[in-house]
Formats: sequence, C-alpha cells, structure tokens
Amino acid sequence: GAGVSQSPRYKVAKRGQDVALRCDPISGHVSLFWYQQALGQGPEFLTYFQNEAQLDKSGLPSDRFFAERPEGSVSTLKIQRTQQEDSAVYLCASSLPRSASGEQYFGPGTRLTVT
Amino acid sequence: AQRVTQPEKLLSVFKGAPVELKCNYSYSGSPELFWYVQYSRQRLQLLLRHISRESIKGFTADLNKGETSFHLKKPFAQEEDSAMYYCALSYGNNRLAFGKGNQVVVIP
Repeated sequence: GAGVSQSPRYKVAKRGQDVALRCDPISGHVSLFWYQQALGQGPEFLTYFQNEAQLDKSGLPSDRFFAERPEGSVSTLKIQRTQQEDSAVYLCASSLPRSASGEQYFGPGTRLTVT
Repeated sequence: AQRVTQPEKLLSVFKGAPVELKCNYSYSGSPELFWYVQYSRQRLQLLLRHISRESIKGFTADLNKGETSFHLKKPFAQEEDSAMYYCALSYGNNRLAFGKGNQVVVIP
C-alpha cells in the first residue's frame, strides 16, 4: 500500500501566522513520530503518539507547537504565531509498536518557510 | 543524554574505492543503532540496523560498544551510492536521535 503521506509539501507563512501540517501514517501503524529538520542538520525528535495518546512531547521547542492525533490515525502538527526559526522540514514517521526492527517509515516532509 | 556524532559532512570518493562513514554515539542505556539513507528526491529510508547484522547493498556496519562506534563501510563504492547518510540511535519508545548526516558523492 501507500507509504506515509504529508501535506502540504511546501508551505510559506508570514511571521505570526498559524500553520497546520498533516500526516497520514501507514495503515495499521500505531506509533507516529514528528521530527524537525533544520537546514544542514539531522532530524530532531518533536513528539510521539501511540494510537491517539501523545506519550512524549518533550521535543516540542515551545508552547507554540501543538500536535494531535484524535482518532489514532491522521496527525496534525500545528504551529502558532510562526517565527523565522521555525523554518525547517517537518518529517512524520510511523512504525509498528515497539517494532523489533526499530524501523520507522518516513513521509516526504513538509518544507515550511517563514518570511 | 543521547548523542550521535558524524564528523565528516561531505565525503567524495571515486567509483570502486572503499567508503567509510564514521558514527560515534553516547548513550547510558543499551544502544540500538541504525543507518538511514536519503537518495536524491526520495524520502528518508532505513539502510541497515545493527541488530540484524546484515549487509545491504554491499554496506555493513558493526557496533563497537567499547569505542561507542557504528561506522558504515562498503568496499567498492558505486555511483548509485551517492546520497545523504544518517546514523541514528533508538532510545525510549523507539524515538530516534540522528547525527547531522554525511553527504556521499561517488565520482565516476
């Protein structure tokens, strides 16, 4: 079937605007992760869901960042009052619970540019 | 805290030459290490994991707990190996900590 999908692929926001980024995980994958990848850096963990429960949000950089997964499938990452330092690629990944392989399946990412 | 270090940013090698990408980690628990790869215009994908001790596309990586390293090696580079490579450490609930990545360019 289809892999992880993300939308939009590109988003340009003016500083101060709110944005919402969507992730559709692989069907049946109960674990979902969000990462932020700044230019020239590796992905950095933001938050983790198991089904609808947000088990870890320790990586969210500020209270302007909020993520949800209300029905345990699609997830939305919302950034309020965007700042220039929020410009990055936002990656979503899904996996089976406590996968023996540890493999995460990544989406194509959403490139956010804040002007 | 967990940390992954990949010292070289860009590595250029000639086709047929050996490739070695260095990865060092720090982690207080039992480490699970991975190499992820991103080819041009493609998404990040798993290349190999230390648990399976397998060779994928000619690449191998051995976990050395004494040196806290997980270097990636391939004896003969191919043009299709040109990509971005990330070393990653799994910790707590399968979260991944990534290094900054290595850009590999294989010169024909």
